[in-house]
Amino acid sequence: EVQLQESGPGLVKPSQSLSLTCSVTGYSITSNYWGWIRKFPGNKMEWMGYISYSGSTSYNPSLKSRISITRDTSKNQFFLQLNSVTTEDTATYYCARLWGGYTTDYYYDYFDYWGQGVMVTVSS
Amino acid sequence: DIQMTQSPASLSASLGETVTIQCQASEDIYSGLAWYQQKPGKSPQLLIYGASSLQDGVPSRFSGSGSGTQYSLKISSMQTEDEGVYFCQQGLKYPNTFGAGTKLELK
Repeated sequence: EVQLQESGPGLVKPSQSLSLTCSVTGYSITSNYWGWIRKFPGNKMEWMGYISYSGSTSYNPSLKSRISITRDTSKNQFFLQLNSVTTEDTATYYCARLWGGYTTDYYYDYFDYWGQGVMVTVSS
Repeated sequence: DIQMTQSPASLSASLGETVTIQCQASEDIYSGLAWYQQKPGKSPQLLIYGASSLQDGVPSRFSGSGSGTQYSLKISSMQTEDEGVYFCQQGLKYPNTFGAGTKLELK
């Protein structure tokens, strides 16, 4: 069974970097796409970005200058780094596997396996 | 970005009642839509993908429909375990975007 688990500090100071790890078991991260999503207080969800089976990345333009997603295939882990955080980055962060399908002539993504989430508070 | 407008924001339903949640996209998403259920303290669980395909293991009382910009999730007979927050997500274009969520409670 595919399982994902996030880990990392629950408290980060403003202007510092947020670093999280997603450990995957039951499936190799050298297949498919692997993403980060966050949920703000009040339920708003934001897709942050993904890393592909080949190591290529795609980021939400709203975060592009601050975000980096990398991986360690030997440990079957991928990572999120978000720089220069502010209190507005306080959220629960999830990692997830992207799966895709076709509808008529169009390809679309969805998230079929999620980690349990890690709550990160940005505060001094 | 494609905006996803979800309604209602909250609703309560009795056991056995039929529940419908709506999601409207700001442009045609060609059925590239997924629905998720999230219970308190848990991660989101995929219910529906491709607007109408039921994810393995999801009870058949859940169904999805729609096309173009208008989509809906239906629960045919509300159960206690269906309480939670429901989200829609478009996966056609990056960045993928989510609806604001619908909180479903048992009446």
